[in-house]
Amino acid sequence: NAGVMQNPRHLVRRRGQEARLRCSPMKGHSHVYWYRQLPEEGLKFMVYLQKENIIDESGMPKERFSAEFPKEGPSILRIQQVVRGDSAAYFCASSRSDSSYEQYFGPGTRLTVT
Amino acid sequence: GESVGLHLPTLSVQEGDNSIINCAYSNSASDYFIWYKQESGKGPQFIIDIRSNMDKRQGQRVTVLLNKTVKHLSLQIAATQPGDSAVYFCAEKLAGQNFVFGPGTRLSVLP
Repeated sequence: NAGVMQNPRHLVRRRGQEARLRCSPMKGHSHVYWYRQLPEEGLKFMVYLQKENIIDESGMPKERFSAEFPKEGPSILRIQQVVRGDSAAYFCASSRSDSSYEQYFGPGTRLTVT
Repeated sequence: GESVGLHLPTLSVQEGDNSIINCAYSNSASDYFIWYKQESGKGPQFIIDIRSNMDKRQGQRVTVLLNKTVKHLSLQIAATQPGDSAVYFCAEKLAGQNFVFGPGTRLSVLP
């Protein structure tokens, strides 16, 4: 049973480009969470999604960031017109249901904006 | 001993000793807490959880203690091993599914 998969593991973008981060949850999990982690800091919640629905996006910046979790395929975190301050590790987690709080994390995508 | 560096606080313990990692949480209404272990270059790994209606929960070599009066959570690791070296985060569940992570503590196990 594969764990949470994220790709790419490392992504380099120039300022102004778009970054697309992908997350495939564990088999049987329909809930996905995205977090952002700066070096030497804790994880900051960004968004919580179920299939085709955004449940809680209170941690998402209002501009340039968007997330989706389509009926088929992985969840996507999209960052448009990236800036240097977007450089961070982005982690995805999944859980079985909204009554199951245990979240399983992927290995993360490390975004570097040059 | 425990020290606060420029970034993460660090706890250094001798191999075989017990470790105690502390965490203060912010919201008295939080009803669920998790401890995660994060090794370098990897995602957080679930260690143990506890609900607010409990004071203590034990796992394999780990114990979590919850003191709701002072909003304090601790993780005890028995007989600390080199493989326990990592950054440890506590997380509290706010309303809905929103988890808030603490800043983390780096555990360094000395041979």
